[in-house]
Amino acid sequence: DAGITQSPRHKVTETGTPVTLRCHQTENHRYMYWYRQDPGHGLRLIHYSYGVKDTDKGEVSDGYSVSRSKTEDFLLTLESATSSQTSVYFCAISERGRTSGTNEQFFGPGTRLTVL
Amino acid sequence: AQTVTQSQPEMSVQEAETVTLSCTYDTSESDYYLFWYKQPPSRQMILVIRQEAYKQQNATENRFSVNFQKAAKSFSLKISDSQLGDAAMYFCAYRKDGGSQGNLIFGKGTKLSVKP
Repeated sequence: DAGITQSPRHKVTETGTPVTLRCHQTENHRYMYWYRQDPGHGLRLIHYSYGVKDTDKGEVSDGYSVSRSKTEDFLLTLESATSSQTSVYFCAISERGRTSGTNEQFFGPGTRLTVL
Repeated sequence: AQTVTQSQPEMSVQEAETVTLSCTYDTSESDYYLFWYKQPPSRQMILVIRQEAYKQQNATENRFSVNFQKAAKSFSLKISDSQLGDAAMYFCAYRKDGGSQGNLIFGKGTKLSVKP
């Protein structure tokens, strides 16, 4: 199994509070991704990173920010959590995001976030 | 924009029988990759099988095989000799070749039940 951990695994918070989710990898992969999973929507990309301090927005980035100060860590921050951000969040890593090849994405175990 | 459609929200199969899950996608790209992921109740995303669009031969992994029809933009998953452990959500995913993102675009998923 790829070395990907997410913390916390579960979190309940209140509307308006800041929340930070952490993804940690031990594979030294360059690309990291944050997805959210909601019933009826599959997984949707929030933000991704293609290197240290290099990040960009995905499909559903509003209300989220990310940071990557080290290769192994990719943080997802909800500055002011809302009930619509209640979801399961997955981190994924890939050795190479671009170029040819199947470049499998390996997923973390997910974080279930509930915003009351 | 690329889209992935799974038209069967739920499917059921008898143990030891064969089941086919459907997936269609829309893209103007000629080079891309297609994947099937399995998500059991543990929430872990597990890669089942992958297909490169430039390969005409359908991918096979043990009891899992695909029927890739590039012109029809169809990518179905066949599970042979179904086992109780195959019960899970199955997601079809697309990734284009090249570009800077490298993220996966997922369908909404098909919930597969296996009856003993």
